[in-house]
Amino acid sequence: DQQVKQNSPSLSVQEGRISILNCDYTNSMFDYFLWYKKYPAEGPTFLISISSIKDKNEDGRFTVFLNKSAKHLSLHIVPSQPGDSAVYFCAASERGGTYKYIFGTGTRLKVLA
Amino acid sequence: GAVVSQHPSWVICKSGTSVKIECRSLDFQATTMFWYRQFPKQSLMLMATSNEGSKATYEQGVEKDKFLINHASLTLSTLTVTSAHPEDSSFYICSARQASGGETQYFGPGTRLLVL
Repeated sequence: DQQVKQNSPSLSVQEGRISILNCDYTNSMFDYFLWYKKYPAEGPTFLISISSIKDKNEDGRFTVFLNKSAKHLSLHIVPSQPGDSAVYFCAASERGGTYKYIFGTGTRLKVLA
Repeated sequence: GAVVSQHPSWVICKSGTSVKIECRSLDFQATTMFWYRQFPKQSLMLMATSNEGSKATYEQGVEKDKFLINHASLTLSTLTVTSAHPEDSSFYICSARQASGGETQYFGPGTRLLVL
């Protein structure tokens, strides 16, 4: 049972435009969410996180939105740059638990110059 | 800050041998480390949670005797793949959570294991 899903395996965006990556989850106990960027044969790099008490968190070009009622979060990257091309994973965890993460299936973003 | 290293970065071994992978937090102490594996074009699957000074907690379906985890200090966890077989070939990634608090996990660069 996939508790965290990223339904778009890939996304192509023109440089300078907005990239929107989506993530859905099923477990209502999740209360902390993160986005990681990953290149092949490397470990994930932390981008941004959000706690369930918020609905938006912004850090530079990256903004994460959380819709708890829809169990949905999204990552907005604006403006998109060719260096943003990578696989993006969302992850969810329960703070009161073991802090383990459940990762989504990933979305490959390609930013076209 | 929050740098995690893994060693080796890649390893090729013969079937039946054991392989040890080290995960170190370089500039912080980590009470909890996590071990993941990733197959090509798939997600990161949590294998086990490693707590300093206590036994690791394994996820369902992960063989404890196959994947031995030791977390002997606040900066080092090791994963030993015992009697490796070709199906164990994968990309193994560790992460660490700071002992000082915070929920973010910082990931190592990963270790690619190829069992012939």
